[in-house]
Amino acid sequence: DTGVSQDPRHKITKRGQNVTFRCDPISEHNRLYWYRQTLGQGPEFLTYFQNEAQLEKSRLLSDRFSAERPKGSFSTLEIQRTEQGDSAMYLCASSSEVGTGELFFGEGSRLTVL
Amino acid sequence: AQSVTQLGSHVSVSEGALVLLRCNYSSSVPPYLFWYVQYPNQGLQLLLKYTTGATLVKGINGFEAEFKKSETSFHLTKPSAHMSDAAEYFCAVRTQGGKLIFGQGTELSVKP
Repeated sequence: DTGVSQDPRHKITKRGQNVTFRCDPISEHNRLYWYRQTLGQGPEFLTYFQNEAQLEKSRLLSDRFSAERPKGSFSTLEIQRTEQGDSAMYLCASSSEVGTGELFFGEGSRLTVL
Repeated sequence: AQSVTQLGSHVSVSEGALVLLRCNYSSSVPPYLFWYVQYPNQGLQLLLKYTTGATLVKGINGFEAEFKKSETSFHLTKPSAHMSDAAEYFCAVRTQGGKLIFGQGTELSVKP
């Protein structure tokens, strides 16, 4: 298994544009998480899925953010009408429902909003 | 609610010196605790974890951490620092729902 993969690794966009990030989790993991990380800070939880169900969303996730996991496999995170404050690293992680709950992270998608 | 506090946003040590990175947690239930490392422009990699049982846990790259319930601490140590240990380190606690809550991170610098 190749681990968690994220695409694109880097995205530069202009304010007001929409962007979409994709995450492919480890194949046998049924939980998938999105985090946001800004410079010098720890990852902040955004949302998570168990299979295709979105079970929790952070208050950080404004109406401009939407996440989906339509078939319980890959997930997308879309940001509409991007703002400069959205510039961050967006991290995806997956885990198994059973076990000790450690999260396996992808390498992240870095967003720069000009 | 669970939370994590990492004391010291930057720690600098000399190569060969002891590394000590501090983490205190708050949890209303017996905690599952984790340390992750992050190299520049990369994701997070698990160093070690505490779930139940032995309170001294060993991880990769010579790191270890000790769970002290009375002090609500889970400090990370390594007897002898190596240049390759320079990175950002994050302590995390697992919530009942399964997500991890991370601390602010500690940047470790290693001087030759």
